[in-house]
This record gives sequence, C-alpha cells and structure tokens, in this order.
Amino acid sequence: RKEVEQDPGPFNVPEGATVAFNCTYSNSASQSFFWYRQDCRKEPKLLMSVYSSGNEDGRFTAQLNRASQYISLLIRDSKLSDSATYLCVVKWGNLIFGKGTKLSVKP
Amino acid sequence: DAGITQSPRHKVTETGTPVTLRCHQTENHRYMYWYRQDPGHGLRLIHYSYGVKDTDKGEVSDGYSVSRSKTEDFLLTLESATSSQTSVYFCAISEVVPEGNTGELFFGEGSRLTVL
Repeated sequence: RKEVEQDPGPFNVPEGATVAFNCTYSNSASQSFFWYRQDCRKEPKLLMSVYSSGNEDGRFTAQLNRASQYISLLIRDSKLSDSATYLCVVKWGNLIFGKGTKLSVKP
Repeated sequence: DAGITQSPRHKVTETGTPVTLRCHQTENHRYMYWYRQDPGHGLRLIHYSYGVKDTDKGEVSDGYSVSRSKTEDFLLTLESATSSQTSVYFCAISEVVPEGNTGELFFGEGSRLTVL
C-alpha cells in the first residue's frame, strides 16, 4: 500500500516563530515530491516542489532525504497568513497525498 | 487562477439516487482528475482521464464512473449514491503527463456532496 505519513498537528505557533513539518513515504521508488497548501474549505494549491539538493522560496525551505524517505518543510518568521493545512505529496505514478498538517499562527 | 469550474458546488441527495458532478476547464489541459477528501484521509484519487474518452481508475473507484466526451468536460457519476460517498469532491487538471516531473495539479473549488 502506498503511504505518505504526516503529523496531523495542529501546530499552534506565535507570529514570527519558525516551524517545521515532517513527512515520510513508504515507496523508495517515488519520483518527485511536493508541498501543497490548503486553506480552510478551499482547494489545495502547490506551494513548492522538493528537490534532492534542498530548495528555498522566501521564508519556506524544503528538504528531501531519499535514504530515510523523509521530506521536510521549514517556515521561518511565521505570518498569520501562513495558517493553513500543509499537504505532503509524493509522486509514483499518480500523486499520493498525505493527510495534511494543520498550522495555526497566532498574534 | 486556472479556469476550472465544478458544478454543483453543494448537493444534498438521498441514498440510492444517481448523482453527476461536472468539471469544466478552459485551459485545454490533457489530464483531468477526480479526487475525494474526507476527514482523516488524504485526497484520494477516484478516476482520471488522459484524453477524450481515455479514462482510468484510481485508488477508490468503486461506486463511481466517469466520462470525458470533450477535452473541457469531465463528469463523475455516482450511479446509486450511498452515505459513504458523502464527501468533498475535487476536480483537478494538469498540463503534463503524470510521468513528467511537475506535480502541479490545478484544483477546482470543490463540490460538497451529502448523501442522506
């Protein structure tokens, strides 16, 4: 069975905090990796792809460890607008979505 | 935002009735997908299409059928709705083959179905 596992949270953090989400996947043959963001009662949207060398987009940093089958997302200087559910997504054939980690950033 | 519209956005129906959800795109993307999202589960693929009249099953296809007679429309049908099919249904599109490196799906706003 294809599995993508995430800590469901919720993560409740103050503005300005750094928060990290982790994700593990079961299939070592997975091809590609992504983080999606889903706001409450909205559709998911691609946040960023995850590359083997690690990649950064502003306050967001994604890392991949293929040996451990582990993906992470780091958010620095959290904003209120970062409050959402973050979905770890792994591609083997079609995309396999994790259940999501809920983040709530408080003033 | 990608041009994807789902209809209806909300529907309440009774067990045993047929239901059809429609997904319409204006992007001319080749691939279209139907997912369902339930508490405690990730998004789960129901069916997908890789072209007109070309469809395939996903992870949770039992009780669902699809049709794609035009590039822009992908229909999801529940022949006889059951309470276990109460869910939020998302349509998605992509412009590259699934084997490609990009994982960007563009989702519709979702259709909330309640089966009583």
